[in-house]
Amino acid sequence: EAQVTQNPRYLITVTGKKLTVTCSQNMNHEYMSWYRQDPGLGLRQIYYSMNVEVTDKGDVPEGYKVSRKEKRNFPLILESPSPNQTSLYFCASTSAGSGTDTQYFGPGTRLTVL
Amino acid sequence: AQTVTQSQPEMSVQEAETVTLSCTYDTSENNYYLFWYKQPPSRQMILVIRQEAYKQQNATENRFSVNFQKAAKSFSLKISDSQLGDTAMYFCAFMKQINYGGSQGNLIFGKGTKLSVKP
Repeated sequence: EAQVTQNPRYLITVTGKKLTVTCSQNMNHEYMSWYRQDPGLGLRQIYYSMNVEVTDKGDVPEGYKVSRKEKRNFPLILESPSPNQTSLYFCASTSAGSGTDTQYFGPGTRLTVL
Repeated sequence: AQTVTQSQPEMSVQEAETVTLSCTYDTSENNYYLFWYKQPPSRQMILVIRQEAYKQQNATENRFSVNFQKAAKSFSLKISDSQLGDTAMYFCAFMKQINYGGSQGNLIFGKGTKLSVKP
């Protein structure tokens, strides 16, 4: 089954404690991205990756890092989480240039930073 | 920069009735894609329908159809024969198409419309 998986699905942590949210897709997609969703703001892109070892900032990258060492994985790293990073996070992937351009979303990760 | 506006924060409709959700966008691009995503209480993002800007024909998917007005930069979603399972947050989204035919990949979302279908 074609899918995007994220782990963990729920996480409660404290300010300053480094954490990683993993994202994996099994569709051989080149393009992957991270979004955060906040009430009244919709979804906003954090970072994206066009392919292995190619990443770039989205609209709200401050406080986040990413890496793309393998095509299937695109982890989101919070080096020193703060309460304003409490949010719902989505990973998404697409086969850019294939003509479909539909983004497939993971199930989301609910993060609470105390 | 592109922006997407959904002017209806909340809407409700009776089961089996028809409802239209509004979306307008602002862009200087000529080639792009537009999407409607559904987010039920489970929080999963589910693609409802997509429209390529170069296509004049409005997209349809079963009970869902769009009214795409490129000159007016309007992209409304019509849900016919509304069902209780249609209760969800609906997001309109824009994605720029880059030169080689692919997409830039950055979805620009509106703030969403919360739709409630009442029995």
